[in-house]
Amino acid sequence: AQSVTQPDIHITVSEGASLELRCNYSYGATPYLFWYVQSPGQGLQLLLKYFSGDTLVQGIKGFEAEFKRSQSSFNLRKPSVHWSDAAEYFCAVGRANFGNEKLTFGTGTRLTIIP
Amino acid sequence: NAGVTQTPKFRVLKTGQSMTLLCAQDMNHEYMYWYRQDPGMGLRLIHYSVGEGTTAKGEVPDGYNVSRLKKQNFLLGLESAAPSQTSVYFCASSLAGDDTQYFGPGTRLTVL
Repeated sequence: AQSVTQPDIHITVSEGASLELRCNYSYGATPYLFWYVQSPGQGLQLLLKYFSGDTLVQGIKGFEAEFKRSQSSFNLRKPSVHWSDAAEYFCAVGRANFGNEKLTFGTGTRLTIIP
Repeated sequence: NAGVTQTPKFRVLKTGQSMTLLCAQDMNHEYMYWYRQDPGMGLRLIHYSVGEGTTAKGEVPDGYNVSRLKKQNFLLGLESAAPSQTSVYFCASSLAGDDTQYFGPGTRLTVL
């Protein structure tokens, strides 16, 4: 069965500092990988996704993520965070070649930005 | 283009009451999903539909029923609500062949 682990429940970062959110997945075949962001009281918005090809994926709002098959990881990064990045971030894995009805989400990482 | 909308935004039920949550999308998506979000547990799939008239069970289907009579609507029903169903419910939709899911704003349900 597929699973996603986000080891950091809560991260605090100073505005302007760099950010890395960790995501590890367990999956028996080629995964589809996603990062979503949820602002307080809102639904989830897609930041970026990886299906195949270049392992460094660029997303919206200046975020990027790198797929490392050898480490089963898909970590999210941003070089300089802004106060508006404060939100909860979810990593998700789906099944390649079987459609997207089986997305499995991690438990999320809450990001706090301090001035 | 409203995207994915959910009705109602908030609801409080007593144990044993029933209710229906409505999800509507105007993007002509084939696939629709219902998730619940609980603290420390992320999102868990309740039921999903790959087309009008078809539904399937997700990870946590017990206590819920769904119907997809129209392509744009996906209903989630609780026949006899229990306190364990207190949660935030999210609907999502996607195009067949495109794994990006688009989420609604959520419904916060409290069962007393």
